[in-house]
Amino acid sequence: KAGVTQTPRYLIKTRGQQVTLSCSPISGHRSVSWYQQTPGQGLQFLFEYFSETQRNKGNFPGRFSGRQFSNSRSEMNVSTLELGDSALYLCASSARQESIQYFGAGTRLSVL
Amino acid sequence: AQTVTQSQPEMSVQEAETVTLSCTYDTSESNYYLFWYKQPPSRQMILVIRQEAYKQQNATENRFSVNFQKAAKSFSLKISDSQLGDTAMYFCAFCAGIQGAQKLVFGQGTRLTINP
Repeated sequence: KAGVTQTPRYLIKTRGQQVTLSCSPISGHRSVSWYQQTPGQGLQFLFEYFSETQRNKGNFPGRFSGRQFSNSRSEMNVSTLELGDSALYLCASSARQESIQYFGAGTRLSVL
Repeated sequence: AQTVTQSQPEMSVQEAETVTLSCTYDTSESNYYLFWYKQPPSRQMILVIRQEAYKQQNATENRFSVNFQKAAKSFSLKISDSQLGDTAMYFCAFCAGIQGAQKLVFGQGTRLTINP
């Protein structure tokens, strides 16, 4: 079974631009969660989608948004990028009744 | 709000030694899960071990075992016969019950180096 796939692996943007990151979950997994990892703040929960609905949301500004498609693939969007948005963005998927999340390799976003 | 604290930013041991990583957490929930994840330089977060709070028996996965002290809210990870491939960042994580099961709260991590 293929693991969680995140694309792209690396991304460089400039301040003010917007960016879209993609996550394909493990086949059969319907929940997708997103996390931001930075040296200063560590790993922080962004949001979680299940069956195309946002179920949980972390404490991030409205510039961070996401969506989930009917095939469970998810995208995360960050608008009006700031330097502080430079981070590793991790996606994780899980089956409905399990509490184990399986992570992708992440997308490294650099904002210049 | 739940918090997870890892008090050891870095640790270093010799290959084949045993090492214990510490983790404490704070929660008012009665039903929750605790995890140890490993993140090697490749960045892929890998599940090492999981503990359900309602189970008194400590979880074990091959060379990895935990010491779960629910009253003390402590959840340490013991790695026996450490190997070079164990070198990584280790994160302790918490999630509350089934409804909140998809929202992990992480500690700051412990960088573990296994020396040959």
